[in-house]
Amino acid sequence: SQTIHQWPATLVQPVGSPLSLECTVEGTSNPNLYWYRQAAGRGLQLLFYSVGIGQISSEVPQNLSASRPQDRQFILSSKKLLLSDSGFYLCAWRDSGNSPLHFGNGTRLTVT
Amino acid sequence: QQQVKQSPQSLIVQKGGISIINCAYENTAFDYFPWYQQFPGKGPALLIAIRPDVSEKKEGRFTISFNKSAKQFSLHIMDSQPGDSATYFCAARTGYSTLTFGKGTMLLVSP
Repeated sequence: SQTIHQWPATLVQPVGSPLSLECTVEGTSNPNLYWYRQAAGRGLQLLFYSVGIGQISSEVPQNLSASRPQDRQFILSSKKLLLSDSGFYLCAWRDSGNSPLHFGNGTRLTVT
Repeated sequence: QQQVKQSPQSLIVQKGGISIINCAYENTAFDYFPWYQQFPGKGPALLIAIRPDVSEKKEGRFTISFNKSAKQFSLHIMDSQPGDSATYFCAARTGYSTLTFGKGTMLLVSP
């Protein structure tokens, strides 16, 4: 069966520091991968998605970037964090085609 | 046209009651309508989904009602339990597109 792993679960970082969040999916190949952000008490904002290695689509221009170095690995990065980058970051995947979207358990990022 | 409007923003239901959450959409090309359940500190989990060729889908205590002409769909939770207390998101998409989510409903089922 397919599983998705996200780490770390929580992270506290100072303003101006770099960020790297990692997500991996097991049990499938060539999945579509997504990064979402959820502010406290708010909805789900799509940040990036990828339909294949090296293919990244950005939904919202901001202080973040994404990369997909391997088929089942998706990385969210920042060179210098801002206070406004605080939030709950969720990785998600689905098989290519018309299939359900599945989320990981998220990373709670607090920028201080 | 890509929006999915969800209501209410929050809902309090007594144990054993029926919880109803509504969503409306504009894009008639949407052909897949899932509902997600999210507990605090966890990622959303797919709860139930429907396609527009049926008007209702039931899984246990959870039912989606779909009204294609009105461009509305709703989630009904029968015999609501305290363990159902969570945030619920409706969503919609066309074929291979990304999901468009509603803003979520915080449900509290009081004992």
